[in-house]
Amino acid sequence: EVQLVESGGGLVQPGRSLKLSCAASGFTFSNYYMAWVRQAPKKGLEWVATISTSGSRTYYPDSVKGRFTISRDNAKSSLYLQMNSLKSEDTATYYCARHTMGLLDYWGQGVMVTVSS
Amino acid sequence: DVVMTQTPVSLPVSLGGQASISCRSSQSLVHSNGNTYLHWYLQKPGQSPQLLIYRVSNRFSGVPDRFSGSGSGTDFTLKISRVEPEDLGDYYCLQSTHFPWTFGGGTKLELK
Repeated sequence: EVQLVESGGGLVQPGRSLKLSCAASGFTFSNYYMAWVRQAPKKGLEWVATISTSGSRTYYPDSVKGRFTISRDNAKSSLYLQMNSLKSEDTATYYCARHTMGLLDYWGQGVMVTVSS
Repeated sequence: DVVMTQTPVSLPVSLGGQASISCRSSQSLVHSNGNTYLHWYLQKPGQSPQLLIYRVSNRFSGVPDRFSGSGSGTDFTLKISRVEPEDLGDYYCLQSTHFPWTFGGGTKLELK
């Protein structure tokens, strides 16, 4: 069974940093691209980042490019999202998702990030 | 960026009835490889999104055949027949043909 478990969320002040983690199990992690998607409170979904199997290629929307960094450790079956220079509009639930053939097939339960002073 | 417009925003339905959700894109979702990367997700209350339909019309593993997807180019539809209580929630379309990937604004399926 595919399982994705996010951690590392919490309350952080504007301008500070936070690193999210996602522990994967139930599949061969190194064979799949992975992604992060977020959802602001009572709002829709926004794709945040995607990383290739080796980690050599990463993709971001303009809203987070230069501030967020996606990375992975295939030996640990773990995905990460380093978030710097956080803004209030980054407040959201962040989901880790498995990316296969151009779509996101399995999602974690999400972790909440609140950016506030 | 590709804008995904979902309608309606809210869709009251009766159990056992039928529902239809539209998703329109601001540009064609046909990839240079010939595939169309338009997918549908359901987010039940308090849960993470779950994949229903991928690449326009393919049901994901375990998805009942009450769910069907259709469309082409810029115009896509998700149909739900014989609506059951577990079908209620927020539906989203996603295009992954063009970067950045973009979602529709969502459609809340609720009881009439």
